[in-house]
Amino acid sequence: EAGVVQSPRYKIIEKKQPVAFWCNPISGHNTLYWYLQNLGQGPELLIRYENEEAVDDSQLPKDRFSAERLKGVDSTLKIQPAELGDSAVYLCASSSGLNTDTQYFGPGTRLTVL
Amino acid sequence: GQQLNQSPQSMFIQEGEDVSMNCTSSSIFNTWLWYKQDPGEGPVLLIALYKAGELTSNGRLTAQFGITRKDSFLNISASIPSDVGIYFCAGRVSSNTGKLIFGQGTTLQVKP
Repeated sequence: EAGVVQSPRYKIIEKKQPVAFWCNPISGHNTLYWYLQNLGQGPELLIRYENEEAVDDSQLPKDRFSAERLKGVDSTLKIQPAELGDSAVYLCASSSGLNTDTQYFGPGTRLTVL
Repeated sequence: GQQLNQSPQSMFIQEGEDVSMNCTSSSIFNTWLWYKQDPGEGPVLLIALYKAGELTSNGRLTAQFGITRKDSFLNISASIPSDVGIYFCAGRVSSNTGKLIFGQGTTLQVKP
């Protein structure tokens, strides 16, 4: 069974440019998470989806970040415009239900903003 | 906000040695999890703990859920080179949100 797929794996952009990350969760997983991981830190939740509904986006900086999961499967996280401080790894994870502890993580997208 | 303090920040040990790391919080958690992250990969779940006082093993790994529900530890026995990586603890406050709070990680280096 395929794991969580993320693309691109690496992205280098100049500040003020837009950037988008894509995530394909494990088949059948209705819960999808986007995390931000700064160097030397643990992941921090940005947004959680239950199917196509964003049920927790309290940590998402909505002035520049947006996310969507239109058909309740794939998801896209966008930053516009990117700032230097956005350089980090963006992780996507999925699970089969609210209460399951097994969140399966993708390999992440490493973003560098110059 | 809720924070987890994980220690030590890094460890450099000899192959075959035992390792211990822990996590503490000012808040009560009802679930404690331990993950391992290899370079360029996402975290992988090692052990999940659901009850205060629970002691759970997974091969050479053993983790315990502290009685106060504010701490947890992870032990690795007889370390091997492939144990190298970053270990994260994570806690969950409420079972109906699924939200995890992660520690800062413990970087483990094993010398063959």
